[in-house]
Amino acid sequence: GAVVSQHPSWVICKSGTSVKIECRSLDFQATTMFWYRQFPKQSLMLMATSNEGSKATYEQGVEKDKFLINHASLTLSTLTVTSAHPEDSSFYICSAREWSSGRAGDTQYFGPGTRLTVL
Amino acid sequence: AQKITQTQPGMFVQEKEAVTLDCTYDTSDQSYGLFWYKQPSSGEMIFLIYQGSYDEQNATEGRYSLNFQKARKSANLVISASQLGDSAMYFCAMREGLVTGNQFYFGTGTSLTVIP
Repeated sequence: GAVVSQHPSWVICKSGTSVKIECRSLDFQATTMFWYRQFPKQSLMLMATSNEGSKATYEQGVEKDKFLINHASLTLSTLTVTSAHPEDSSFYICSAREWSSGRAGDTQYFGPGTRLTVL
Repeated sequence: AQKITQTQPGMFVQEKEAVTLDCTYDTSDQSYGLFWYKQPSSGEMIFLIYQGSYDEQNATEGRYSLNFQKARKSANLVISASQLGDSAMYFCAMREGLVTGNQFYFGTGTSLTVIP
């Protein structure tokens, strides 16, 4: 399957600072990437859909001014958590959509995730 | 209504035995895709298997098979000959639109523990 990387894999920061998380598709071009948030022992919650060259589409209840998404190229999307607070501590996972001529067609491949801890 | 329902928060299986993880879905679309992902403790989501709504045969990928019952709107994952490395969270997901679509809908997951 396709490979998606995320950087950093974990980060600890002080309250009030901003943190940038990168998501890269390594062996394919992804016009669409997705950002999810996952709390312990819970499912993935879609935060936003990131389309290359256009503004991200945020899910209801997700503050777009707090979670800034930039999808500047076909292989890179970034999520910046601005003025992070302890309640933002979570596991953030990105995925990239790849089109395949195989049966699955449009499949999402996930990055390894970034664990954010805000002190 | 929930798009994807996984009713088993936790499951245990003896090593080398088979196990079925339940998944039901809700959609009014005729065309959709069903996916299973595995999430080990490391956190990475690993794509396991796919079933299209028009596929007449159940999907199989190695030890994984998907028991697709369209009338019941169920897409259960069967893992045969369980191994210790199968211990993980398993998520069922659906994409509305057979070939392309927008978001995936995920279930709440099932935690599988394989017992030696």
